[in-house]
Amino acid sequence: SYELTQPPSVSVSPGQTASITCSGDELGDKYVSWYLQKPGQSPVLVIYRDTKRPSGIPERFSGSNSGNTATLTISGTQAMDEADYYCQAWDSSTVVFGGGTKLTVL
Amino acid sequence: QVQLVESGGGVVQPGRSLRLSCVASGFTFSSHGMHWVRQAPGKGLEWVAVVWSDGGNKFYADSVMGRFTISRDNSKNTLFLHMNSLRAEDTAVYYCARDVLGVVGPNQLLDYWGQGTLVTVSS
Repeated sequence: SYELTQPPSVSVSPGQTASITCSGDELGDKYVSWYLQKPGQSPVLVIYRDTKRPSGIPERFSGSNSGNTATLTISGTQAMDEADYYCQAWDSSTVVFGGGTKLTVL
Repeated sequence: QVQLVESGGGVVQPGRSLRLSCVASGFTFSSHGMHWVRQAPGKGLEWVAVVWSDGGNKFYADSVMGRFTISRDNSKNTLFLHMNSLRAEDTAVYYCARDVLGVVGPNQLLDYWGQGTLVTVSS
């Protein structure tokens, strides 16, 4: 079965740029979505189809996808961005999630 | 506004069955594929199943294949998850989520999520 690999944790200072990677075999040939989840809350879509932002998601969130790696980038990271982030793709008629990355803003 | 409200969770003994429901409002339910996604305590997201908008196609994660059945009643704007032969490892918060597509495929994405319902499998 298809697997997506994320780093378990990423740390960033306020105002700096955070990058969270998601790796999978020929992932660049698939569309990737990204979701954030804060403690006790449901996941929220922040990036879809590699680079697109849903309405209401701040411009500081951006995405890219090429080769075997997709990347979620948060520019000018704020304390409110501290959350778990999950990448997701579609493979063989199933949804696949990465293991999640805990973003710490310190 | 789009709302998804899950119910039916609770404590159940191993080997028993449970049915979850998700009532949708604020959109044309019959135009969207629907998913169940679960999250074990302290763990990541795990996709469970999807049903296309017309209910005609259903796909499952290997971990629940043959034990869980996803279904929908478009006349009642309701999504279901029938869970049989429950195991301790099925303990999780179960979320229903809307797909932007009716025929779910490579362009899919989960754009709205419910608040989840907790299922605890324990003797």
